Amino acid sequence: EAQVTQNPRYLITVTGKKLTVTCSQNMNHEYMSWYRQDPGLGLRQIYYSMNVEVTDKGDVPEGYKVSRKEKRNFPLILESPSPNQTSLYFCASSLSGTAYGYTFGSGTRLTVV
Amino acid sequence: AQSVAQPEDQVNVAEGNPLTVKCTYSVSGNPYLFWYVQYPNRGLQFLLKYITGDNLVKGSYGFEAEFNKSQTSFHLKKPSALVSDSALYFCAVRDMGSSASKIIFGSGTRLSIRP
Repeated sequence: EAQVTQNPRYLITVTGKKLTVTCSQNMNHEYMSWYRQDPGLGLRQIYYSMNVEVTDKGDVPEGYKVSRKEKRNFPLILESPSPNQTSLYFCASSLSGTAYGYTFGSGTRLTVV
Repeated sequence: AQSVAQPEDQVNVAEGNPLTVKCTYSVSGNPYLFWYVQYPNRGLQFLLKYITGDNLVKGSYGFEAEFNKSQTSFHLKKPSALVSDSALYFCAVRDMGSSASKIIFGSGTRLSIRP
């Protein structure tokens, strides 16, 4: 089944404790992206990647890191999480660029206390 | 700069009635336009897109959307609503002429269909 898989689905952590949210797609998509969803704000892009080893900042990149060492994986790293990063996170992928629709993962609900 | 607006936070419709979820956009060039649906505890699912061609686009689950260039709108419609259509709907836009590979999402509209 073609899909984007995120892990974990739920995570509660403490301020300052480094964490990684994994994202993997099995569709050989070139384009991958991370979004956060907050009430009343819709989805805001954190980082995106056009292909392996090519990443760029989205609208809200502060406090986040990403890497794209392999085509299928695009992990999101929070080096020192803070409570304002409590949010619902989505990974998405697309065949090539953004002219095509995204396929989204199921989401990761992160709570930072 | 590109932007997208969904002017209604919530839309309430009786089952069997037609529904419309509104979306307006702003781009400097020609737009790519998308609609996504989010069910509780799920990721967003692609419904339909407009790239070029016919202004009326048909998508999944009986939904359609009408592209109106003069009004810069891309409203989502369905002739007869089902209770199972209740969900959160997002409109999204990308500027076709932009070098930035980014889709901008609206803030979402919660659609509630009452039996």
